[in-house]
Amino acid sequence: RKEVEQDPGPFNVPEGATVAFNCTYSNSASQSFFWYRQDCRKEPKLLMSVYSSGNEDGRFTAQLNRASQYISLLIRDSKLSDSATYLCVVNEGQFYFGTGTSLTVIP
Amino acid sequence: GAVVSQHPSWVICKSGTSVKIECRSLDFQATTMFWYRQFPKQSLMLMATSNEGSKATYEQGVEKDKFLINHASLTLSTLTVTSAHPEDSSFYICSARVFGGSGSGELFFGEGSRLTVL
Repeated sequence: RKEVEQDPGPFNVPEGATVAFNCTYSNSASQSFFWYRQDCRKEPKLLMSVYSSGNEDGRFTAQLNRASQYISLLIRDSKLSDSATYLCVVNEGQFYFGTGTSLTVIP
Repeated sequence: GAVVSQHPSWVICKSGTSVKIECRSLDFQATTMFWYRQFPKQSLMLMATSNEGSKATYEQGVEKDKFLINHASLTLSTLTVTSAHPEDSSFYICSARVFGGSGSGELFFGEGSRLTVL
């Protein structure tokens, strides 16, 4: 069983659309959660941490549901520049990465 | 923000040769760094944890004699792929955790090193 599971997509959405990604994790003792963005052939870059109360950063909203063991990322008003792979990362003492969800925003 | 720098970005080598990849923390000290490998369309897989001043901790299935890790200072860790073969071709990425200041334990990654073994 994988520690972190994500729908790999791809998600192809028009500009301006709202898109949501979910990620489930297997270890209920997981300590912290993050969303990273990875562009093709580049390193992952931190997009945002995910807090228990949920948090928002501009067009991006992250939520954590500990009871159901999933985290989500909502992107509103999608831009072409949002096209990337979004990685769900869970820290259980060691960091575990999802396979990533591919997003393409279409003009 | 914290910066982790990795070098070289790209390397092409002949089968049987060794390749060294450097990972530096530029504005903070990193007692621990992590080395990952990523194959196309796959997730990052942790290879080893590099510990300053002591031996690295390798993940199951990673050959420590093939992937030599040295963490001689608080700002530099190196990964040497010895006797590289085509199946070692991959994207190798280092990272470090940042605590204190604006950091709350997130991972920051180097730019990655794309290795192609002919």
